[in-house]
Amino acid sequence: QSALTQPPSASGSPGQSVTISCTGTSSDVGGYNYVSWYQQNPGKAPKLMIYEVSKRPSGVPDRFSGSKSGNTASLTVSGLQDEDEADYYCSSYVGSNNWVFGGGTKLTVL
Amino acid sequence: EVQLVQSGAEVKKPGESLRISCQASGYRFITYWITWVRQMPGKGLEWIGRIDPSDSYTNYSPSFQGHVTISADKSISTAYLQWSSLKASDTAMYYCVRQPYNWFDPWGQGTLVTVSS
Repeated sequence: QSALTQPPSASGSPGQSVTISCTGTSSDVGGYNYVSWYQQNPGKAPKLMIYEVSKRPSGVPDRFSGSKSGNTASLTVSGLQDEDEADYYCSSYVGSNNWVFGGGTKLTVL
Repeated sequence: EVQLVQSGAEVKKPGESLRISCQASGYRFITYWITWVRQMPGKGLEWIGRIDPSDSYTNYSPSFQGHVTISADKSISTAYLQWSSLKASDTAMYYCVRQPYNWFDPWGQGTLVTVSS
């Protein structure tokens, strides 16, 4: 299965909102509500930020939100803060007990 | 606290075999799947496959099927990823992660595997 498509980069100023997209097909993103998002800081392991499209784990700020429309899922970071600068990856179930990640998006806080 | 602790960095030669480990603590090991993820230098995350520690049933990505083997020893709450013959292209960071359902959390700290002659 092919990786999900994410923009290589995104940016915003402190306090602004930024949205990162994750595009797949009807066989993955569009076919299941099993999209999750991960934040990875340099040299660190990824961290779960959103699961099942829009659910937020305990401890994740409510500035992070997720949504989905058709074959595209989105992660929105509102009230951008310096600490949000990181790489972000989406993931989706693709059927047959397989999962796939997106290519990743580097978020820069200007 | 749920924790996954991985074995240390490895430096190997092409053709050598290797097994890296991931020890879980803070929860009942057989309750959740364990997934392995590859991250090549400067690249994104790739789903390798997963194991159900209760019965050692495995699923692999077609991209990795036949190239690696995932196993687990539930008596010591440890999962493994192994290669029988390493290639230079296996050089990467490898993460284990608990899979509660259709998401991955928490992640181990990663094991860096370097394959070089």
